[in-house]
Amino acid sequence: AQKVTQAQTEISVVEKEDVTLDCVYETRDTTYYLFWYKQPPSGELVFLIRRNSFDEQNEISGRYSWNFQKSTSSFNFTITASQVVDSAVYFCALSELNTGGFKTIFGAGTRLFVKA
Amino acid sequence: DTEVTQTPKHLVMGMTNKKSLKCEQHMGHRAMYWYKQKAKKPPELMFVYSYEKLSINESVPSRFSPECPNSSLLNLHLHALQPEDSALYLCASSQGANLNTGELFFGEGSRLTVL
Repeated sequence: AQKVTQAQTEISVVEKEDVTLDCVYETRDTTYYLFWYKQPPSGELVFLIRRNSFDEQNEISGRYSWNFQKSTSSFNFTITASQVVDSAVYFCALSELNTGGFKTIFGAGTRLFVKA
Repeated sequence: DTEVTQTPKHLVMGMTNKKSLKCEQHMGHRAMYWYKQKAKKPPELMFVYSYEKLSINESVPSRFSPECPNSSLLNLHLHALQPEDSALYLCASSQGANLNTGELFFGEGSRLTVL
């Protein structure tokens, strides 16, 4: 069965600090996809990144970077030089293709507070 | 601006009312989803439509009835709801099974309050 664990419920940092959000997943499939989504107070979930199970390359996009390690079933997300606008709930998600379509489950989320 | 539009943004209804939530996307996506999100919780999958057919029902009570009139529209009909059904209902779409890698595009949600 699929499972996504985000052990950090809330993180509070001061602006310009670096912060890492942890994500550990469980799956029996060999083909799966991992995601990070951001949910600001407005409520809409915004896609940030996707990684498939065959691509362990780390990725950097501006101040965001992601570290995918299959050996530890982790997909961690780092924000460098955090800004107040980064304050949101961040969800790690795991998607597998079922007979009925893609089934995506979300971790519990990490609420990030960035203080000025 | 989101490319998945949900209406209404807010809905208050009594337990005996019948109402509907609507979702529309014009990205040519062939899979659409309903998620339910309670406060401070992650979204929980309710239904998946793939090519306008209901493909996944996560054992949702029958007081929630989904409908996909065409590839761009997704409705969620509500009847005889309970106060514990109060939540943010999120619609999402993706390109479709076998065509993409599961990335979801979400609307802003419909916040439902059941009195």
